[in-house]
Amino acid sequence: DADVTQTPRNRITKTGKRIMLECSQTKGHDRMYWYRQDPGLGLRLIYYSFDVKDINKGEISDGYSVSRQAQAKFSLSLESAIPNQTALYFCATSDPNTKTGGTQYFGPGTRLTVL
Amino acid sequence: QKEVEQNSGPLSVPEGAIASLNCTYSDRVSQSFFWYRQYSGKSPELIMSIYSNGDKEDGRFTAQLNKASQYVSLLIRDSQPSDSATYLCAVGGPRFGNEKLTFGTGTRLTIIP
Repeated sequence: DADVTQTPRNRITKTGKRIMLECSQTKGHDRMYWYRQDPGLGLRLIYYSFDVKDINKGEISDGYSVSRQAQAKFSLSLESAIPNQTALYFCATSDPNTKTGGTQYFGPGTRLTVL
Repeated sequence: QKEVEQNSGPLSVPEGAIASLNCTYSDRVSQSFFWYRQYSGKSPELIMSIYSNGDKEDGRFTAQLNKASQYVSLLIRDSQPSDSATYLCAVGGPRFGNEKLTFGTGTRLTIIP
């Protein structure tokens, strides 16, 4: 079984709809991240959480919100989706203070299309 | 703001040759460096990590780090068609293992059979 899972894997929605993307992990990591990827723009950080009670904005948080329900679960919400939020969304986890140096492990991604 | 720069490519290399991918970063105190491989439509997967100046080899892959020049590279020897992908350089912060990563935009590599 995959260590980091994302649901749904694909989603098509309409402008103005509320959307939630979910991420679960079995790696036991404290840190979780949400990125979006657009062609030519690389991975851009939306939100990150270093533990259940710690949530931080990334470089492109406007229009998004998150919830860290448990160590293993981190959800991303689009309160009112707009077409320029069409992108590939990735969840990632990491474990600090280990020999891995903060290596991030990615889920399979969610392809979101907003019409 | 931290910056990580990569040549976007595409970089075309004949099968069996050496592919050389380069990355520069702006934060002089960065302590951890990573190369991820990403196939089209798939998630990034870790290829190599490097933390100290010099070379680190793992099979056909060699990562090279020069902190004085703020430069990290990835060499792929005996390139195979399956190496065709986008390669992302990622750089951590000053506190080893305790910072979020900054990613470059990636270099698209094509191995020509």
